[in-house]
Amino acid sequence: QVQLVESGGGLVKPGGSLRLSCAASGFTCSDYYMSWIRQAPGKGLKWVSYISSSGNNIYYADSVKGRFTISRDNAKNSLYLQMNSLTAEDTAVYYCARGLSGGGVFDIWGQGTMVTVSS
Amino acid sequence: EIVLTQSPGTLSLSPGERATLSCRASQSVYSNYLGWYQQKPGQAPRLLIYGASNRATGIPDRFSGSGSGTDFTLTISRLEPEDSAVYYCQQYGSSPRFSFGPGTKVDIK
Repeated sequence: QVQLVESGGGLVKPGGSLRLSCAASGFTCSDYYMSWIRQAPGKGLKWVSYISSSGNNIYYADSVKGRFTISRDNAKNSLYLQMNSLTAEDTAVYYCARGLSGGGVFDIWGQGTMVTVSS
Repeated sequence: EIVLTQSPGTLSLSPGERATLSCRASQSVYSNYLGWYQQKPGQAPRLLIYGASNRATGIPDRFSGSGSGTDFTLTISRLEPEDSAVYYCQQYGSSPRFSFGPGTKVDIK
């Protein structure tokens, strides 16, 4: 069964850090572009970051550039998002998603993990 | 960055009726790289349409997409109660600056 399962969310203070994980099953993560997408409470979807299948191309939304780092562990078939210098504006459900068509359209999504940044 | 605008904000229709959702881009979407997603409360989005008009795996044929350039449409031909959801369009032509529209909420009366 093809699926993605995120973990690692929680409550963190402003300025703090958190590392999200996304475990893939039923397919090989490194064969696809993989992305992180977030959704603030009651709001729409915002793309955050992606890593290409080769791992050579990594991009970030301007709002997280310099603070977030995407990575992948091929042996564990998993995707990660290291988030530093968190602010209240980073509060959201974070989804990992598999990309098709050059990575830009997302056919498989995880269930999401909630990140709350609050003092 | 390409900005997507969706209309209407909310659509309230009865079962069996036809729903027409619009997505307009601030500039032409390269190769019509436009997708549509359905999101129900508490769930992750589900891909319905990619490449403006291609149904994703397992999507019923009552969902169809059309359009090109800057104007795109998602049509649900015969609404069923389970189609109540928020629908988002997304462009992926200006990689890696992927962007989503604000969504259209479909209520089934």
